[in-house]
Amino acid sequence: QQQVKQSPQSLIVQKGGISIINCAYENTAFDYFPWYQQFPGKGPALLIAIRPDVSEKKEGRFTISFNKSAKQFSLHIMDSQPGDSATYFCAATPPGGYQKVTFGTGTKLQVIP
Amino acid sequence: DTGVSQDPRHKITKRGQNVTFRCDPISEHNRLYWYRQTLGQGPEFLTYFQNEAQLEKSRLLSDRFSAERPKGSFSTLEIQRTEQGDSAMYLCASSYTGGQAGYTFGSGTRLTVV
Repeated sequence: QQQVKQSPQSLIVQKGGISIINCAYENTAFDYFPWYQQFPGKGPALLIAIRPDVSEKKEGRFTISFNKSAKQFSLHIMDSQPGDSATYFCAATPPGGYQKVTFGTGTKLQVIP
Repeated sequence: DTGVSQDPRHKITKRGQNVTFRCDPISEHNRLYWYRQTLGQGPEFLTYFQNEAQLEKSRLLSDRFSAERPKGSFSTLEIQRTEQGDSAMYLCASSYTGGQAGYTFGSGTRLTVV
């Protein structure tokens, strides 16, 4: 059972554009929603995260928007740069601290000059 | 501290052989996790330890898989009688108890079963 659905599978954005990746979850018990960035040959690295009591969180060029009623959340990358080219995973964790993380299937982002 | 270290980075083995991977977490972290990632997919949870206790195991972790964390420091993941379906990236991560800073992942061990 895929508990976190992610789209699109791949994304090509021009430099300076906005990259948008969407996720939807099923388990209403999830209470923490991180995004991870993964470069080839590396493990995922935490990028930004949000709790469901907040509708938006911004860190630099990265913004998470969260819609609790729709059980959806999205990552927006403003002013996308070639260095942002990577695979992005949304994820969700249950309450009780950072234990088991359920990941989405990933979005491969390519930012072209 | 240089982060989470995994060894080896790559392993090619023949079907039916046993393999063992090692993970050295960040020294202050008391939780350690193993995930498996296949091509084009997100990481899938396998198991996690708090100190030396193995607190949860996924159904993905068949009887051929065993993980240990003696003394609550490094961890090993062993796969017995490897099958081609075991080919994947095996990722280790560590964190603090209840820490919301997220996991720190290692770079993984790429296993290829031929």
